[in-house]
Amino acid sequence: GNSVTQMEGPVTLSEEAFLTINCTYTATGYPSLFWYVQYPGEGLQLLLKATKADDKGSNKGFEATYRKETTSFHLEKGSVQVSDSAVYFCALSGDFGNEKLTFGTGTRLTIIP
Amino acid sequence: EAGVVQSPRYKIIEKKQPVAFWCNPISGHNTLYWYLQNLGQGPELLIRYENEEAVDDSQLPKDRFSAERLKGVDSTLKIQPAELGDSAVYLCASKRGAGEETQYFGPGTRLLVL
Repeated sequence: GNSVTQMEGPVTLSEEAFLTINCTYTATGYPSLFWYVQYPGEGLQLLLKATKADDKGSNKGFEATYRKETTSFHLEKGSVQVSDSAVYFCALSGDFGNEKLTFGTGTRLTIIP
Repeated sequence: EAGVVQSPRYKIIEKKQPVAFWCNPISGHNTLYWYLQNLGQGPELLIRYENEEAVDDSQLPKDRFSAERLKGVDSTLKIQPAELGDSAVYLCASKRGAGEETQYFGPGTRLLVL
C-alpha cells in the first residue's frame, strides 16, 4: 500500500536559517503530493502541492519538487521566520479514484529568534 | 468562504460513555472525510462520503464507531461506548468532489477519555 516517510523531528533552527524537511514515499501509479502545516491550536492547512513528476509546488517562500526518480518531495525554505514554527505533514493521494490522503508522522519545527 | 466547522472543539468523557462529533463542510463540497489523529502521528482516514453515501469505511471500527451524513451536507461521527484508547483528535475534511485534489480540514475535536 501507499506510505510516506518523513524526517523525524523536532527541528530547531535560528531565524533566517535554511530549512529542509525530507519526505519520501511509496505508492503505486501516479500519486499527487502535498505538504500540510498545522499551527498551534489550528487545523491542517494546505501549504503546497504537486500533481505530477517534476512539478514544483510553492507558497509563502516554501518550495517542494516532485521527484519520481527518487520518490521524494522535500520541503525547503531559504530563510525561516519565527512565524513558521508549526508541525509540517507530507502526504500523498492515490490516483484512479483512490481518494485517501496518506500522511507522514509530521515534523515539529521551532524557529528561535 | 467559511471553512470546515467542527464541534465541540474539546470533549472529556469517562470510558464506556457515548460521544458524538459534528462537522459542517464547506458549502458546495460533496466529499467529506473523517480522520483520526493520534498524538505525534499523522491523520488516518476513518470514513469518506460522496454526498450521503459512505464510499470508503474500511478503516472505521464498526463495533463502536458509526457515522452518518444525512442529506449529504453535515455529518456526525459517534463512538459508543468510548474506550481509553479513543483519546485523540478527530478531524473532518471536505473537498468539492471527485477529481478535485485539495482537501480542506476543520480545526478538529480533541477527545479525552478518562
